Amino acid sequence: AQSVTQLDSHVSVSEGTPVLLRCNYSSSYSPSLFWYVQHPNKGLQLLLKYTSAATLVKGINGFEAEFKKSETSFHLTKPSAHMSDAAEYFCVVSALGGDMRFGAGTRLTVKP
Amino acid sequence: DGGITQSPKYLFRKEGQNVTLSCEQNLNHDAMYWYRQDPGQGLRLIYYSQIVNDFQKGDIAEGYSVSREKKESFPLTVTSAQKNPTAFYLCASSIDLFGETDTQYFGPGTRLTVL
Repeated sequence: AQSVTQLDSHVSVSEGTPVLLRCNYSSSYSPSLFWYVQHPNKGLQLLLKYTSAATLVKGINGFEAEFKKSETSFHLTKPSAHMSDAAEYFCVVSALGGDMRFGAGTRLTVKP
Repeated sequence: DGGITQSPKYLFRKEGQNVTLSCEQNLNHDAMYWYRQDPGQGLRLIYYSQIVNDFQKGDIAEGYSVSREKKESFPLTVTSAQKNPTAFYLCASSIDLFGETDTQYFGPGTRLTVL
């Protein structure tokens, strides 16, 4: 069985400052991990995914995430926040033969 | 354009009525999924389908029904048995069912409100 915990329900940053959205996972097998972004009343868009290749994964819009097996973490980062980054972000874990498990989401607010 | 479409975008239903949410994909994906999203709870899996004429219950299937008569289409019916149907419903598809490395692609969602 797998599960995922997003450690912050809400993160607020100023424009131009770094973003850190935290995600811890639990999985009996080597997992695949995803970050999705959702803007208000929209579907989910894939930001990036980890699939047992390089542990540092680069995604769209300047986001990246690092898979740390020893810490069972997959935190999402961006060096400099933009106003358009304001959205809800979901961390997702998937394992062979298992379904995808979504975190509860982190709402990112970007202040001017 | 390739993608997933959902309709309608907004749907209002009176208590006791069944409603059907549409989901269509032209990505040639075999697997399709329905999720329900409530504030602060992430996404929960309602039903999924691996191939035509086959579908399975997810975590919260009670009060819902689906069909998969065509590869491209996976409509969801919210029945009167669903006690709390007001939510945002998301349809997704992927090449294979819960493939280890496969990505699910999402539609824009339907917001259902029960009056």
